[in-house]
Amino acid sequence: DAKTTQPNSMESNEEEPVHLPCNHSTISGTDYIHWYRQLPSQGPEYVIHGLTSNVNNRMASLAIAEDRKSSTLILHRATLRDAAVYYCIPQNARGGKLIFGQGTELSVKP
Amino acid sequence: EAGVAQSPRYKIIEKRQSVAFWCNPISGHATLYWYQQILGQGPKLLIQFQNNGVVDDSQLPKDRFSAERLKGVDSTLKIQPAKLEDSAVYLCASSFGPNTGELFFGEGSRLTVL
Repeated sequence: DAKTTQPNSMESNEEEPVHLPCNHSTISGTDYIHWYRQLPSQGPEYVIHGLTSNVNNRMASLAIAEDRKSSTLILHRATLRDAAVYYCIPQNARGGKLIFGQGTELSVKP
Repeated sequence: EAGVAQSPRYKIIEKRQSVAFWCNPISGHATLYWYQQILGQGPKLLIQFQNNGVVDDSQLPKDRFSAERLKGVDSTLKIQPAKLEDSAVYLCASSFGPNTGELFFGEGSRLTVL
């Protein structure tokens, strides 16, 4: 299973963009990169995933490095509701289990 | 669409007692997962079911934990006897199939063992 490294915590101001980095240098060529977030007192929720190309959805954008050893989750305009722990999780394309690390705790200041 | 339902939300027991948690996944989801989340850590997979069969239970402490999904729909996770270190949030998740990375989680059941 690929190992991930994320900052323990990050701070952002409301309505500013946030870039959450993740290092996954041991990722294999067939691993997807998933991002989940966990709001306080809730279960994790799926945010986005990608393989090689950058991806966008209504929640966020995912930028994947060309060598796939790192990725960045981009929240274009942070809101107070985006304060959460964000997890970056590689997953084998054949459907391996999702292994959560420590994640990055994002705080958003008004 | 109803989400993943879990009960109870909170449970306090003394060590050596038993406890059971229930989960009802999203309708039509064949794959069901139980995760344990200790305070300050990420969730850890305990067991994964595909319909009523176990796919992965390598991280389940089988001397005290058991789980079943008899009819391939709802599931129960039991701990007997509980230890202090079992204090955690027990999260249930479901997905359409076993090869997707998009899991839907319930709100969890918080267990405190005194």
